[in-house]
This record gives sequence, structure tokens and C-alpha cells, in this order.
Amino acid sequence: ETGVTQSPTHLIKTRGQQVTLRCSSQSGHNTVSWYQQALGQGPQFIFQYYREEENGRGNFPPRFSGLQFPNYSSELNVNALELDDSALYLCASSSQGGGADTQYFGPGTRLTVL
Amino acid sequence: AQSVTQLGSHVSVSEGALVLLRCNYSSSVPPYLFWYVQYPNQGLQLLLKYTSAATLVKGINGFEAEFKKSETSFHLTKPSAHMSDAAEYFCAVSENFGNEKLTFGTGTRLTIIP
Repeated sequence: ETGVTQSPTHLIKTRGQQVTLRCSSQSGHNTVSWYQQALGQGPQFIFQYYREEENGRGNFPPRFSGLQFPNYSSELNVNALELDDSALYLCASSSQGGGADTQYFGPGTRLTVL
Repeated sequence: AQSVTQLGSHVSVSEGALVLLRCNYSSSVPPYLFWYVQYPNQGLQLLLKYTSAATLVKGINGFEAEFKKSETSFHLTKPSAHMSDAAEYFCAVSENFGNEKLTFGTGTRLTIIP
């Protein structure tokens, strides 16, 4: 069974640029959630995709957007990057879309905005 | 709205001593509660979860947690600390509103003293 994978591992961008982060969900999972973890903080929920539809969104501006593909992999896009977007971005997959379901996390993508 | 408070951003214990990491939650409905561990430069790994079955939950690596509704707590314990337990620990809560948005605490860094 393949776990959750994310690419790239590290990324450096400058202010105003756009970035795309990718996530492959665990086999058999149809739900992907994205979290932002700033240095020294707990992860913050960005949004969730369930069967290719957005299924909940946290307190993030519209320049954070996402996609989920038919194979349930997902992308996180961030436009007009700001310095405060520097963080570890975590992707998590799960199988049912319910509150009790376990989310399995990938290793994350470390984004640095200069 | 759901929230989690982790008391103590840093906890140090001697190898072989009891580990106690505190978590208090706030939720408008019966919550689902999780403990995750994060090793340096890695994603999150589930230690254990409470989903309204037994109030004492046993997890991996010898950890357990007890759900106490009257105290709105879900503290994590391990009878005997091991050097490999040194990591960041996060408590999280979700509510079953159709998605598994996790709300995390700010984390507790556990240091093991040889």
C-alpha cells in the first residue's frame, strides 16, 4: 500500500509569483485535505476535496485554490505569493469523508517565499 | 466552533519517566479527538484517536489517552519515556459535519533527558 506522497520537497519562490504543490493520496482514499503549518505552529486547515469537489474551506483567501483529479490526486495553487506564505504545506488523505475518519499525512512541501 | 488548547509548549522528562502531555478541547457537539506526532522534517503520524467508543484509547508506541467529558480533556500519557519519543506532539479535534476538518493545537515539543 502506497502512502501519501507530495512534490516537490522544497521550493523557493519570490513575492508575487505563483506556485503549484502536488499530492498523491493513499491507495483507496477519495478525500484530500490541505494544511498550512507555519514555523512553530500547528497545522491550519486550508480546504478539503471529496470526489473532485471542494468540501469545506478554512480561513484562507481566494488566492489559495485547489483541484482534485479523477485518480484523487490533488494540487494546491497559491497565487500572488506573500512572505507569510512561507510554511510547510501538508496534504492528508482519508477514505470516507467523515469526522471520525483517520487522515494520513504526507511528508509535506517546504515553501520559502523571499 | 471547535478548538484545542495544549498546555505547555515544551515538556522535558527523564528517560524512563512518565510522559504527560495535556490537551483541552472545546466543541459544540461530541468531538472526535486525535493525537499526532511529528518528527523533525517529517509529516504527521497518527498516535491514537477517540471516536466515542471506549474513553481510554490505546495507541502506538505505548501511548494512551483518556477522554474526560467533564474536564473537556484528552491528555496523552506514556508510562516510561524512551529517547525515540522526542518529537512534536499535536492534539486535534474534528466534528462530524460531513468533512474531517482537523483543528490542531499549537503543539508540545517533548524532550527526553538521558
